[in-house]
Amino acid sequence: DAGVIQSPRHEVTEMGQEVTLRCKPISGHDYLFWYRQTMMRGLELLIYFNNNVPIDDSGMPEDRFSAKMPNASFSTLKIQPSEPRDSAVYFCASSLTGGLRQEQYFGPGTRLTVT
Amino acid sequence: DAKTTQPTSMDCAEGRAANLPCNHSTISGNEYVYWYRQIHSQGPQYIIHGLKNNETNEMASLIITEDRKSSTLILPHATLRDTAVYYCIVRLPRRWNTGNQFYFGTGTSLTVIP
Repeated sequence: DAGVIQSPRHEVTEMGQEVTLRCKPISGHDYLFWYRQTMMRGLELLIYFNNNVPIDDSGMPEDRFSAKMPNASFSTLKIQPSEPRDSAVYFCASSLTGGLRQEQYFGPGTRLTVT
Repeated sequence: DAKTTQPTSMDCAEGRAANLPCNHSTISGNEYVYWYRQIHSQGPQYIIHGLKNNETNEMASLIITEDRKSSTLILPHATLRDTAVYYCIVRLPRRWNTGNQFYFGTGTSLTVIP
C-alpha cells in the first residue's frame, strides 16, 4: 500500500487566494483526519470523518476553512480566502475502526505558505 | 481528555535505552495512553498504546504506573534514527479531541547522540 497520499507537497500562494489541499486515505480505512502543525500551536486536530461523514469539526479555526469527503478515497481541505497566519504544515491521516489500537497513519503533509 | 506533561527535551547515547516519561495525573479509568513520534519533516508515527498493563512491541515498551498517573516509553537500544519528537496522548478509544492545541502537546524532543 502506498500509504496516505497528500497533494500538493508544497503550496505557496498570495493572501486572498483560494487554497485546496487533497488527501487520499489508505484503502479500507474508515476514519480520516485533518491536522495543522505550526511552531506556535503544535499539532492540532481540525476535523475528522467517519465513513465520509464529518463527525467533529470544532477544531476548524474559522469559516474560511472547509473540508469535504465526497467518497471513501478522497478528501479536500479548502481555505478561502487564505491569510498569512494560515501558513503551516497540514497533515491528513486515516485509521481503521476495529480494535483499540486506533493507529492513525499520517501522510507526508502539505507545507502551505501564504504571502 | 486528560492533559499530559512531558519534558521538553532529552539526550540519549546511541545503543543505550531511552526512557521517556509522561505525566497524566488526571487520566480517567477508561482512557488509554498512546505514544506517537514525529521525525523531522514527516508525519507522526504510531508507536504503542496501553491501558493498565505494561506493553511491548517491536518498537518499544510502555510502562504504566499502578495508579496510571504516569507512564514511561522505553526504546531499548536507541539508534540515530530514533531522533524525533515523542508525543504522549491520553484519550478514549474512538474519540479524538478536536480544537485542542494540547491534544498532541509539545512532546519530548529526543536526540540520540553517536
